[in-house]
Amino acid sequence: GAVVSQHPSRVICKSGTSVKIECRSLDFQATTMFWYRQFPKKSLMLMATSNEGSKATYEQGVEKDKFLINHASLTLSTLTVTSAHPEDSSFYICSAIGQRGSGYTFGSGTRLTVV
Amino acid sequence: AQSVTQPDIHITVSEGASLELRCNYSYGATPYLFWYVQSPGQGLQLLLKYFSGDTLVQGIKGFEAEFKRSQSSFNLRKPSVHWSDAAEYFCAVGQGGSEKLVFGKGTKLTVNP
Repeated sequence: GAVVSQHPSRVICKSGTSVKIECRSLDFQATTMFWYRQFPKKSLMLMATSNEGSKATYEQGVEKDKFLINHASLTLSTLTVTSAHPEDSSFYICSAIGQRGSGYTFGSGTRLTVV
Repeated sequence: AQSVTQPDIHITVSEGASLELRCNYSYGATPYLFWYVQSPGQGLQLLLKYFSGDTLVQGIKGFEAEFKRSQSSFNLRKPSVHWSDAAEYFCAVGQGGSEKLVFGKGTKLTVNP
């Protein structure tokens, strides 16, 4: 079945630094990937839709200059949290879609802690 | 706009008991419906999905769900719960299979021995 690999699974960084999270589709080509943020005991909040070869589409209220998304190939999308602050600490999850109707496959998530 | 409601924030059942998790959606056309399960600190695993056809959908781990258009519901069921089923369950609705998903707030399932 479709597999999405997300890396790293956990990262701790200092305030003011940047962190890059990778999302790879291992056995299928993903023209569209999604980035979600999940607060403790809350549901998933869609941050942005990432399309290969084009600019990401951000949801309302999400700062595109802070959360940089790059989808340079059909198997890789990256989310960079720039100038991270403690309030950016969260669980970030990516998902990818292969062919229409195949459904969405989620990565295992990244726990970001900013200290 | 699409929306998903999971009325039960937390459900506790005994091991071996039956389970039903409720999900109601709001969407103008025929929705694409999904149930996902999430263990603590993990990503989401797809349990089952409904796109079209038979309204009773079988999933992994013995789960099933029934799409009822008249009730705008897609409830998840399992006849006999196992301790390993304890997790957070999310219902989601999508459009066309290639659009963003809208998630419910989730239902936390606790299984008592």
